[in-house]
Amino acid sequence: GNSVTQMEGPVTLSEEAFLTINCTYTATGYPSLFWYVQYPGEGLQLLLKATKADDKGSNKGFEATYRKETTSFHLEKGSVQVSDSAVYFCALSGWAAGNKLTFGGGTRVLVKP
Amino acid sequence: SAVISQKPSRDICQRGTSLTIQCQVDSQVTMMFWYRQQPGQSLTLIATANQGSEATYESGFVIDKFPISRPNLTFSTLTVSNMSPEDSSIYLCSVEGGDRGRETQYFGPGTRLLVL
Repeated sequence: GNSVTQMEGPVTLSEEAFLTINCTYTATGYPSLFWYVQYPGEGLQLLLKATKADDKGSNKGFEATYRKETTSFHLEKGSVQVSDSAVYFCALSGWAAGNKLTFGGGTRVLVKP
Repeated sequence: SAVISQKPSRDICQRGTSLTIQCQVDSQVTMMFWYRQQPGQSLTLIATANQGSEATYESGFVIDKFPISRPNLTFSTLTVSNMSPEDSSIYLCSVEGGDRGRETQYFGPGTRLLVL
């Protein structure tokens, strides 16, 4: 079956530091890949997505590239802000699984001023 | 993307009671999903709700405990029945949008439930 593994947190950074959250997946076929963000006390927001190999998703300074050869979709941001403090979820969906989302365990990021 | 609202946003309930959570979407959608997020955990799919058919439940979730209604293409309810403290979670609904083959799920703000 499908699965997503992402690095455990919490990740604590200083403002303007570089952020990387690793995400690897196992899936049948060619899934779509997503990063969702959950700010404190809120629901999930779609941060970015990629639907085929070598696609790069980007939004709000975050980027992730769909790497089929390494089955990875690592999230990066060059200079984080305190407002980026949140929990980040990597997820995938695929036609073979009825487009159901499979989530990673989530990574809590805390950015200190 | 669709605008999704949920009611209530939070509630504190006594064990043994039931709570019905509403999910409203601003556009017609075929597929709606209900998730549970236990404290400090990731999301787990409870069921998929398509209009005009019975909800499809994931392993570990049963209709008697989590009955779902889907009366039309913009609305769904999830009931958490005979609650216990272990049901304390965030419950989120989501809808599927986007082009075929590029479908994306969009989430509501969640309902935060505490069972005493």
